[in-house]
Amino acid sequence: SQTIHQWPATLVQPVGSPLSLECTVEGTSNPNLYWYRQAAGRGLQLLFYSVGIGQISSEVPQNLSASRPQDRQFILSSKKLLLSDSGFYLCAWSGGSQPQHFGDGTRLSIL
Amino acid sequence: AQKITQTQPGMFVQEKEAVTLDCTYDTSDQSYGLFWYKQPSSGEMIFLIYQGSYDEQNATEGRYSLNFQKARKSANLVISASQLGDSAMYFCAMREGFYNQGGKLIFGQGTELSVKP
Repeated sequence: SQTIHQWPATLVQPVGSPLSLECTVEGTSNPNLYWYRQAAGRGLQLLFYSVGIGQISSEVPQNLSASRPQDRQFILSSKKLLLSDSGFYLCAWSGGSQPQHFGDGTRLSIL
Repeated sequence: AQKITQTQPGMFVQEKEAVTLDCTYDTSDQSYGLFWYKQPSSGEMIFLIYQGSYDEQNATEGRYSLNFQKARKSANLVISASQLGDSAMYFCAMREGFYNQGGKLIFGQGTELSVKP
């Protein structure tokens, strides 16, 4: 069966510091991969998605970037974090017409 | 532009009763998918149920059913025999485009359901 791993679960970072969140999927090949952000009490906002290695589509211009160095690895990065980058970040995968399945999320606090 | 609207920020239901969570959508596509997810306080997003735009029958998964009214562009979630563990945020979502085009999901703002003992 397929599983998705996302880490770390929580992260506290100072303003201006770099960020790297990692997501990996097991048990499937060539998945679609997604990064979402959720502000407190709000719905999910799609940040990036990828349909293949090296293929990244950005939905919202911002201080973040994404990369897909391997088929089942998706990384969310920032060179300098802003206070507005705080939130709950969720990685998800889907295969074919199947629904998206989510990781457990990362709670990011910027101080 | 495609949009999902959930008009109930919060709902209360008595344990063992049924509850309906509302969702309306807007799209000009003929082919689309509608999803419901549950988000407990721990944060993970749990897939509940899916309805394709060409499906003639309403989707059902255990205690969950989706009341799909295509002409009205509504996709309400019905939870029968509510349990205390059903207390959570519930999100309606629509898939934009085909899966090989990314299959992106657009989410509503969510409904917080509280089940009373």
